[in-house]
Amino acid sequence: DGGITQSPKYLFRKEGQNVTLSCEQNLNHDAMYWYRQDPGQGLRLIYYSQIVNDFQKGDIAEGYSVSREKKESFPLTVTSAQKNPTAFYLCASSIAGASNQPQHFGDGTRLSIL
Amino acid sequence: GESVGLHLPTLSVQEGDNSIINCAYSNSASDYFIWYKQESGKGPQFIIDIRSNMDKRQGQRVTVLLNKTVKHLSLQIAATQPGDSAVYFCAENRGASYDKVIFGPGTSLSVIP
Repeated sequence: DGGITQSPKYLFRKEGQNVTLSCEQNLNHDAMYWYRQDPGQGLRLIYYSQIVNDFQKGDIAEGYSVSREKKESFPLTVTSAQKNPTAFYLCASSIAGASNQPQHFGDGTRLSIL
Repeated sequence: GESVGLHLPTLSVQEGDNSIINCAYSNSASDYFIWYKQESGKGPQFIIDIRSNMDKRQGQRVTVLLNKTVKHLSLQIAATQPGDSAVYFCAENRGASYDKVIFGPGTSLSVIP
């Protein structure tokens, strides 16, 4: 089955710690995205990547970093600079960008502060 | 624009009835719209999409209506089932760019058996 796999499902972060969320897709999609979901709000874009070795900041990139060394992988690091990291994080991919194509989502990682 | 509220609008329907979920979008230049379904603890699933050159599109048990005059989108679910209970949200594509998809906050649909 093709799809997007996010891991872990639950993650806990200590003060001053960086944590990395994994996102892998086997859909052969060029574009990948990271969103943050908070209660009662729409998804907010953190970072996106159109192609390997290239990525762009979204609306709320501060305190986050990403890499795109392989087409199928787009890990997100939540750094200690992100002061309010508790949220549900969603990774998505699409065929050739979001224009006129739906995004396919993983099942998310819920990050909490210890 | 984005909602800053903490509570989602809620719609409760009786099993077997039809459901109508509404969404207002903000940009008259948006040309592509998508409805997603999100079950608790899971990622959003694509339901149906519509392009701005259409007013209506039907899928299996679902219909999306687009009214560009008032910038309004609706999702109709026929014969609602308990498995339809979820949060539904619309997304609009404001342009040919990867960062121009705007997601609404969603509506929570609860189906009463």
